[in-house]
Amino acid sequence: RKEVEQDPGPFNVPEGATVAFNCTYSNSASQSFFWYRQDCRKEPKLLMSVYSSGNEDGRFTAQLNRASQYISLLIRDSKLSDSATYLCVATDRGSTLGRLYFGRGTQLTVWP
Amino acid sequence: GAVVSQHPSRVICKSGTSVKIECRSLDFQATTMFWYRQFPKQSLMLMATSNEGSKATYEQGVEKDKFLINHASLTLSTLTVTSAHPEDSSFYICSAGLAGGGDTQYFGPGTRLTVL
Repeated sequence: RKEVEQDPGPFNVPEGATVAFNCTYSNSASQSFFWYRQDCRKEPKLLMSVYSSGNEDGRFTAQLNRASQYISLLIRDSKLSDSATYLCVATDRGSTLGRLYFGRGTQLTVWP
Repeated sequence: GAVVSQHPSRVICKSGTSVKIECRSLDFQATTMFWYRQFPKQSLMLMATSNEGSKATYEQGVEKDKFLINHASLTLSTLTVTSAHPEDSSFYICSAGLAGGGDTQYFGPGTRLTVL
């Protein structure tokens, strides 16, 4: 069983749409969670951390449900530049540098 | 800040040759660096954890004699793919974290290896 599971998509949405991605993790001891963005043939880049209380960064909102071991990312008012693969990531150590467990990624294409 | 570089960005080699990939933290010291491999349409898979001044810790299924890792300084880790074969063709990415910076890791731009 994979540590982090994601629906690979693809999601194809028009500009301005709202789109949501979901992710589940199997290790209840996981401490920290992130969403990364990866463009084609590039390295992953940190989009945002995910906190239990939920957090928002502009058009992006991340939620964490520890009881269900579920993480989500909501993108509002999608832009063409949001087209990328979104990686859900969990780690097992919150205060020191720990290994990251990556989901397979969810592919998003925003069309004009 | 927190920039990680990798060199080379792309390499094409013949089967049986060895390839060295460098990972550098440019503006910070990294006691720990990680090496990942990503096949097309797959997730990043951790290969090994590289600690400065000590032997790397390899993930299950990763051959330590084939993928040699050296982390001789706080800003440089190298991965050498020895006797490369076509099945080693992949996207190799390193990452490093800031000491005391929690779990945030910064990724290098990756090295695309093609073995003919």
